[in-house]
Amino acid sequence: QVQLQESGPGLVKPSETLSLTCSVSGASVDGGTVYWTWIRQPPGKGLEWIGYIYYSGTTNYNSVLKSRVTMSLDTSKNHFTLKMNSVTAADTAVYYCARVRMKRGSDAFDIWGQGTVVNVS
Amino acid sequence: DIQMTQSPSSLSASVGDRVSITCQASESISTSLNWYQQKPGRAPKLLIYAASGLQSGVPSRFSGSGSGRDFTLVITSLHPDDFATYYCQQSYTTPRTFGQGTTVE
Repeated sequence: QVQLQESGPGLVKPSETLSLTCSVSGASVDGGTVYWTWIRQPPGKGLEWIGYIYYSGTTNYNSVLKSRVTMSLDTSKNHFTLKMNSVTAADTAVYYCARVRMKRGSDAFDIWGQGTVVNVS
Repeated sequence: DIQMTQSPSSLSASVGDRVSITCQASESISTSLNWYQQKPGRAPKLLIYAASGLQSGVPSRFSGSGSGRDFTLVITSLHPDDFATYYCQQSYTTPRTFGQGTTVE
């Protein structure tokens, strides 16, 4: 059974860097048949896709965040990470990591972590 | 970016009702459309993939249809556990984008 768990500081100061980790159990982050993503949800608002990281380490970021975001894989620890620099209050949100699987020729986020709250203040 | 518009934004329903939620993309996305259910304080849960595929473990009262720009999620007989917010999401191009959500109250 695949499970994902986000971790990281719940409070980040403005202009600093947000760093989150998604620990994966039950699957390998470099397994090759799935890939991984980060999504966030500001308080009381909808969902925003941040980007993908593939088993090879290749990334694909949302253009509106691209200049501030870095994702990486750590195969030795079987986790992947999100770093977002120069944060502002607008980055306050619940951050989710999720697994991405191809289904009928397109992908879907089929397993999610429970989410971690990040406040920028 | 492809904009996803859901309607209605919220609806009131009762147990046993048939509920229908629509999602329109700003351009054609073929059948690259997913539906998620989210309850307060919880992560979203995948219900429907590729417009009409029922995710494993999801009750058969949930169904999806559509292609191109227009899509529909139907709950044939609302259960108490179905009161939640539902989001559509396109997986046709990046950036992946979500609808604004529909709350079933």
